[in-house]
Amino acid sequence: QSALTQPASVSGSPGQSITISCTGTSSDVGSYNLVSWYQQHPGKAPKLMIYEVSKRPSGVSNRFSGSKSGNTASLTISGLQAEDEADYYCCSYAGSSRVFGGGTKLTVL
Amino acid sequence: QVQLVQSGAEVKKPGASVKVSCKVSGYTLTELSMHWVRQAPGKGLEWMGGFDPEDGETIYAQKFQGRVTMTEDTSTDTAYMELSSLRSEDTAVYYCATWSVPGDYFDYWGQGTLVTVSS
Repeated sequence: QSALTQPASVSGSPGQSITISCTGTSSDVGSYNLVSWYQQHPGKAPKLMIYEVSKRPSGVSNRFSGSKSGNTASLTISGLQAEDEADYYCCSYAGSSRVFGGGTKLTVL
Repeated sequence: QVQLVQSGAEVKKPGASVKVSCKVSGYTLTELSMHWVRQAPGKGLEWMGGFDPEDGETIYAQKFQGRVTMTEDTSTDTAYMELSSLRSEDTAVYYCATWSVPGDYFDYWGQGTLVTVSS
């Protein structure tokens, strides 16, 4: 199972919006609405931000949103804040396994 | 609220085995589905496997088949991940994480255990 494809890095200024893409195949992202997104700050454990493509867990800011089209899922962060600077990973159900993306480093300029 | 507390850092020689523990509090282990995810230094997350409550079996990523064993001690609410035939590429932080069904996502994570494989 190959890792999902994410851009290595994205950046944006405070207040702006950014979108991180996550491209898989018809065996994972394209076949299931079971994509989740995780935020990871340096030296910390990942934190769930989005599940089932677009649902937000309790306590996660509504500035975070998710979507999917075909084999590509996306995470959008609006109103960028300094604390959003982190690594972001997508993850998809893939039949009997799960597969993560390679991760995207978000820099808030 | 689920809390997961993992065992401390380990240093192992190539060819050896390591066993990492993950103690659950706030819930009992039987109420949860525990999975393991690792992260090599400066690299991304990699799913290793975990318990699938829908068929009652532990599933392993193909990459680790034959080298990894995930077990649970329900009397102490502790999950274990043992990886054998260690090589330098296994140097990583290993996380336990609870897997939520339905929805298929990892909602609670341990703090991570660094395993270093070095001669």
